[in-house]
Amino acid sequence: AQRVTQPEKLLSVFKGAPVELKCNYSYSGSPELFWYVQYSRQRLQLLLRHISRESIKGFTADLNKGETSFHLKKPFAQEEDSAMYYCALSGSGTYKYIFGTGTRLKVLA
Amino acid sequence: GAVVSQHPSWVICKSGTSVKIECRSLDFQATTMFWYRQFPKQSLMLMATSNEGSKATYEQGVEKDKFLINHASLTLSTLTVTSAHPEDSSFYICSASARERSLQETQYFGPGTRLLVL
Repeated sequence: AQRVTQPEKLLSVFKGAPVELKCNYSYSGSPELFWYVQYSRQRLQLLLRHISRESIKGFTADLNKGETSFHLKKPFAQEEDSAMYYCALSGSGTYKYIFGTGTRLKVLA
Repeated sequence: GAVVSQHPSWVICKSGTSVKIECRSLDFQATTMFWYRQFPKQSLMLMATSNEGSKATYEQGVEKDKFLINHASLTLSTLTVTSAHPEDSSFYICSASARERSLQETQYFGPGTRLLVL
């Protein structure tokens, strides 16, 4: 079955601490993986695409095909990182996404 | 680039009326648009996939006669909630996938429309 799992509903860390938001997936082919962020009262915004191999706002994510994971990491969390984070998967040949249930990140002062 | 707008941003209507929500890609051509529903503190639930010039593909459990989708051009898709009832109250979000190669297979989201049916 095709699935995206974000095991943590809520993750609280202190400012300056490292952050890792977990995402595991189940897909039979070669998926595209994404991280989207939703700040309070704002739309979903694309944060990262795995094929871009970029770092946005200090966040990085590496696709680990062996572990079928695409964890989002940041070495030093900032208060403005507090938001809802969604991991999403797109199958090859389709634009349709499968979303995880999301993880709310709270960065404490 | 890759901006998606939705109109209206919120709407209150009486039970039994129909409500139309527009989704526009402002600076790119969107061959595929998606409609989602988001309940409070929950993830997005895909309702349907809309391709320009063809019938929408609905997800299992979504009533196509209830939620009419039209994708008349490469920049506009509409969702009409027909004979709305209080249980249809929700946050409706659209997204668009771009035609341009650099933006392919990436969805760009609108700001959402909050519907309240009294």
